[in-house]
Amino acid sequence: DAGITQSPRHKVTETGTPVTLRCHQTENHRYMYWYRQDPGHGLRLIHYSYGVKDTDKGEVSDGYSVSRSKTEDFLLTLESATSSQTSVYFCAISQRETDTQYFGPGTRLTVL
Amino acid sequence: GQQLNQSPQSMFIQEGEDVSMNCTSSSIFNTWLWYKQDPGEGPVLLIALYKAGELTSNGRLTAQFGITRKDSFLNISASIPSDVGIYFCAGQTDSGGGADGLTFGKGTHLIIQP
Repeated sequence: DAGITQSPRHKVTETGTPVTLRCHQTENHRYMYWYRQDPGHGLRLIHYSYGVKDTDKGEVSDGYSVSRSKTEDFLLTLESATSSQTSVYFCAISQRETDTQYFGPGTRLTVL
Repeated sequence: GQQLNQSPQSMFIQEGEDVSMNCTSSSIFNTWLWYKQDPGEGPVLLIALYKAGELTSNGRLTAQFGITRKDSFLNISASIPSDVGIYFCAGQTDSGGGADGLTFGKGTHLIIQP
């Protein structure tokens, strides 16, 4: 298995509170991605990173921000969580942009 | 953005039966990937296809990259209980932008009845 961990694995929070999810990799891969998975939508890209401090938006980036201060860590922040952000969030990594992506175990977030 | 149509949405089969699922797209992809997701886990890569027409096997799994580069199928032979899960196809372009790099189908939920 690719060395990817996500924390926390489960979180329940209230509308309007800030939330930060962490993705940590031990593979030294350059590319890191955040996806959300919802019934009927499959996996949708939120943001991705192509290097330390280099990030860009994905398909569903509104309401989310990311940061990457180290190769191994990619943080996803919900500045003010909303119920529509209740989802399962997956981090993925790849060595190069067109390489296969490997996924972490996911974080289940519930916003009440 | 690009969209993948994956079918069927769900399959109820008997143990030992063969399974077939496919993905189609209106856009061309340079790579097709098939992932499996177990409950509470992240998707795990099963097969990657890199060339149009390519047929690749991984144990009881066989996948093909369509000649038109707009479709792919996955077959599972002689299904067993541990094959239960959700199977996703994903198409990848070489567009030079990560945001357009990987598009997922909505998944095929495989349920096996003993």
